[in-house]
Amino acid sequence: TQLLEQSPQFLSIQEGENLTVYCNSSSVFSSLQWYRQEPGEGPVLLVTVVTGGEVKKLKRLTFQFGDARKDSSLHITAAQPGDTGLYLCAGPLTGNQFYFGTGTSLTVIP
Amino acid sequence: DTGVSQDPRHKITKRGQNVTFRCDPISEHNRLYWYRQTLGQGPEFLTYFQNEAQLEKSRLLSDRFSAERPKGSFSTLEIQRTEQGDSAMYLCASSFLRVRGNTEAFFGQGTRLTVV
Repeated sequence: TQLLEQSPQFLSIQEGENLTVYCNSSSVFSSLQWYRQEPGEGPVLLVTVVTGGEVKKLKRLTFQFGDARKDSSLHITAAQPGDTGLYLCAGPLTGNQFYFGTGTSLTVIP
Repeated sequence: DTGVSQDPRHKITKRGQNVTFRCDPISEHNRLYWYRQTLGQGPEFLTYFQNEAQLEKSRLLSDRFSAERPKGSFSTLEIQRTEQGDSAMYLCASSFLRVRGNTEAFFGQGTRLTVV
């Protein structure tokens, strides 16, 4: 059983469309991170959300942390081919190891 | 500091051989993690260190796998008697454990292992 479930697992959209990726857990996290990973490279940290209900924006990307700190979402507006990659949510539990989500593979078609 | 560094980036080895990977974390980061990742999947936790102490090992880590962080700085991951199923990307990450506040992990570029 995965601690962090992401949906959808795969997403293929046309350039210019909007999309939302979800990260859900039954556990409470002190913070959640979102990463993007390109083939053959390590995950790159995009953002960290800490406070329940927090919303952070990074250009066309909007990240939200659920009020109960059990879930998070990533919304991309007007997707571009450069957004293509594997999106991962992750978070620490009680100071222990980082748990990763199942991943969402996004393909943006020009 | 340029971030987490992993060496080598790619390794091709014959089945049965031993391999060793190195990870240099971000300076002053007290936590270091090893993960394994197969194509299209999220990273799977292998083990982590706080300073030089190995605090947790995954059940995925068979007896053929061993990791060390002798001086609390760089770390090595050794795989003995490699098998084809060991082929994967091995990722290292580091973080600074805070008493309060958020903890973020930063990743290296990974070592791609291919066992033939």
